[in-house]
Amino acid sequence: GQSLEQPSEVTAVEGAIVQINCTYQTSGFYGLSWYQQHDGGAPTFLSYNGLDGLEETGRFSSFLSRSDSYGYLLLQELQMKDSASYFCAVRNSNYQLIWGAGTKLIIKP
Amino acid sequence: EAQVTQNPRYLITVTGKKLTVTCSQNMNHEYMSWYRQDPGLGLRQIYYSMNVEVTDKGDVPEGYKVSRKEKRNFPLILESPSPNQTSLYFCASNDWGDTQYFGPGTRLTVL
Repeated sequence: GQSLEQPSEVTAVEGAIVQINCTYQTSGFYGLSWYQQHDGGAPTFLSYNGLDGLEETGRFSSFLSRSDSYGYLLLQELQMKDSASYFCAVRNSNYQLIWGAGTKLIIKP
Repeated sequence: EAQVTQNPRYLITVTGKKLTVTCSQNMNHEYMSWYRQDPGLGLRQIYYSMNVEVTDKGDVPEGYKVSRKEKRNFPLILESPSPNQTSLYFCASNDWGDTQYFGPGTRLTVL
């Protein structure tokens, strides 16, 4: 079967750095994406990795290692507004997006 | 404004009463999807469509129908809803890039 594994919850302090890991097992691979979802809201796109390496977008970075079937999202200079759930998703050979169960990020002052 | 709209946003219904959740996008996207989201399970794809008149089953299609008669619209139909279909539903669209745009969600309760 196809699956993505990510931690269910991560806690960090405001101003710190946090990393959310994602490992995947899918039929085909066309890229790893990350989405953010605040309580009561819809998921919004954060980043995409199609090739190995690091992609940086402001305070957020995302990394991919296709040989390890692994990626992570790195959030720097954490702010209270970053409290949300974060989902990794992989596009498989059928062009479907397969989603992880999500990581709830709790930020403490 | 580029957006995906869904209606209704909230719906309480009873078992067996047919319902339709509408979805519309104004971005001329080819690809549209329906997801359901349940606590601890993330987003699970119900159906998707790569173009007009082309639809395919996702991971959890049982009990649902869709149609894609026009590019912009992708309604989700529950012919005979059951309590296990109580969930939060999202419609999404994207072009052939990798950014999915989500509607605001429809919270459905089936009694």
